[in-house]
Amino acid sequence: AQKITQTQPGMFVQEKEAVTLDCTYDTSDQSYGLFWYKQPSSGEMIFLIYQGSYDEQNATEGRYSLNFQKARKSANLVISASQLGDSAMYFCAMREGFNKFYFGSGTKLNVKP
Amino acid sequence: SAVISQKPSRDICQRGTSLTIQCQVDSQVTMMFWYRQQPGQSLTLIATANQGSEATYESGFVIDKFPISRPNLTFSTLTVSNMSPEDSSIYLCSVLRQGEGNTGELFFGEGSRLTVL
Repeated sequence: AQKITQTQPGMFVQEKEAVTLDCTYDTSDQSYGLFWYKQPSSGEMIFLIYQGSYDEQNATEGRYSLNFQKARKSANLVISASQLGDSAMYFCAMREGFNKFYFGSGTKLNVKP
Repeated sequence: SAVISQKPSRDICQRGTSLTIQCQVDSQVTMMFWYRQQPGQSLTLIATANQGSEATYESGFVIDKFPISRPNLTFSTLTVSNMSPEDSSIYLCSVLRQGEGNTGELFFGEGSRLTVL
């Protein structure tokens, strides 16, 4: 089974609107971490937000929030007030143990003016 | 947060040649990770580079094709040997964020975009 599943290959959003990028994960570990990264066309991977498996509150970082539903094993990224600069690939990732990372296939987000 | 510098940022290479990618971190780290991202794909871990020992390779990657050096705690190189067009990818160096209050995310270098003709 896939460890990280991102079912949306591509998404469009109007500038200034909110958008949700889906991510589901599969693990039998009790302790794990969930991450979102942004990859612009330049190729670098930019860390956006983190959610720990024991965190009861949803993580927020500026315009980014992570909708963590543990029972459903989902960790959706919500971007509020989209900007043209948000156009990029977005990867969901999970860490098991100290350093074992799994990455999803990514979602390409296009923000329309 | 760690600052990671990768060189070259991009290159166009001829089939059969080899290219070495350098990764410099501004702080000492125990483990460095090398990832490959083929066009339109997700990230795949090539190997984990530990200082003072042989790199640990993931299934599907071998030392002869991707030799790695880790001479100290701030530097590593990845060589892509005897390149073919299938090696055209972005190669990314990364380290774990460590320290008090860390969330254990991976920091990435800017990536090295290789095109093999």
